[in-house]
Amino acid sequence: DTGVSQNPRHKITKRGQNVTFRCDPISEHNRLYWYRQTLGQGPEFLTYFQNEAQLEKSRLLSDRFSAERPKGSFSTLEIQRTEQGDSAMYLCASSPTDRAGNTIYFGEGSWLTVV
Amino acid sequence: DQQVKQNSPSLSVQEGRISILNCDYTNSMFDYFLWYKKYPAEGPTFLISISSIKDKNEDGRFTVFLNKSAKHLSLHIVPSQPGDSAVYFCAASAPNSGNTPLVFGKGTRLSVIA
Repeated sequence: DTGVSQNPRHKITKRGQNVTFRCDPISEHNRLYWYRQTLGQGPEFLTYFQNEAQLEKSRLLSDRFSAERPKGSFSTLEIQRTEQGDSAMYLCASSPTDRAGNTIYFGEGSWLTVV
Repeated sequence: DQQVKQNSPSLSVQEGRISILNCDYTNSMFDYFLWYKKYPAEGPTFLISISSIKDKNEDGRFTVFLNKSAKHLSLHIVPSQPGDSAVYFCAASAPNSGNTPLVFGKGTRLSVIA
């Protein structure tokens, strides 16, 4: 399978704990994105990388969130001191370098439930 | 401020008929538009896209129409099939203006009734 891979697929954690999600993009894609989706909403942009450089961060990405892509391949998204409002599906996507269009390809998502 | 709007939360269509999903946008810098389909508990799947230099793009049963002056696009599915039942998201970006990340609407849930 050469699609975007995310794990874990599901995570239940207690409020205040830290969680980390991993994303492995499509191998030839040098752009990697993190989005978040809650019920009744579309995916909301969090951040993206070109190779190992983090090029943009959304206002949604509070200081409790940190994303890394150390070698320009896989990425991690860490949420520290989780809150109930962090419960959502966290989506990773990848794309080749922008040309005329920007089609991004999503993984299956990682569900986070904070109790 | 919702830059991409899908004003119909849901749509029901009979099998074999045409499904028309609508999307409006406010940012005139958007020049690339996409539709994604999402089943429950899965990530969105890319369906079809259109660049602002075109007003129509067709791929099998799926056609996207773009009306730049009205800042409106629509996705036509014909004939609709029960397997098309899913949430459809409209998305837009402005890659030629350096603004890369896609902006999504809230989605329209399509139900195709057999």
